[in-house]
Amino acid sequence: EPEVTQTPSHQVTQMGQEVILRCVPISNHLYFYWYRQILGQKVEFLVSFYNNEISEKSEIFDDQFSVERPDGSNFTLKIRSTKLEDSAMYFCASRGVVGSNQPQHFGDGTRLSIL
Amino acid sequence: EDQVTQSPEALRLQEGESSSLNCSYTVSGLRGLFWYRQDPGKGPEFLFTLYSAGEEKEKERLKATLTKKESFLHITAPKPEDSATYLCAVQGSGGYQKVTFGTGTKLQVIP
Repeated sequence: EPEVTQTPSHQVTQMGQEVILRCVPISNHLYFYWYRQILGQKVEFLVSFYNNEISEKSEIFDDQFSVERPDGSNFTLKIRSTKLEDSAMYFCASRGVVGSNQPQHFGDGTRLSIL
Repeated sequence: EDQVTQSPEALRLQEGESSSLNCSYTVSGLRGLFWYRQDPGKGPEFLFTLYSAGEEKEKERLKATLTKKESFLHITAPKPEDSATYLCAVQGSGGYQKVTFGTGTKLQVIP
């Protein structure tokens, strides 16, 4: 069964450094998402991306964050000048085009630790 | 703003002891209610989508139902491998893409 793949599984970064989280969505999907889950808290929406542009973003997704689809398979989340509070699990998700209320399928996440 | 509340926070069952998990929601125009399973250190794994009140979906020992205000995930004769956190999420008409999650119910099934 096709799946969403995320790398790395764990990223440790010094505060103030830039980090790029990578995702390979399911191959025929066209809608892409990033979510985060702080330890012990709920999964929170960050951003959705379609047709090479952001279609929706949350209040969390400020100027520190950016997303990109650099080629036909990868989808990345960049965090500039990381803060301690950015430590969390970051999940990538994707979905197909048939119906805007189709389920999103998630990867296993990248655990980001900011020191 | 869409809101999802799940109860109980944690549930401990003996193997074979059936029970239900609750998901209460408020949303402006429900486009879909989703149930996911999350194992420790893993991403949410899709289980069901429900679109309208009265709808039911089944998969093995799991059955999801939907009313206008809440959804239930019924677990019949659970096995230890059903132990996981079960997440409920909604998509409303206000946010075109955004899915709002609850905090989940952590289920432990004891042999």
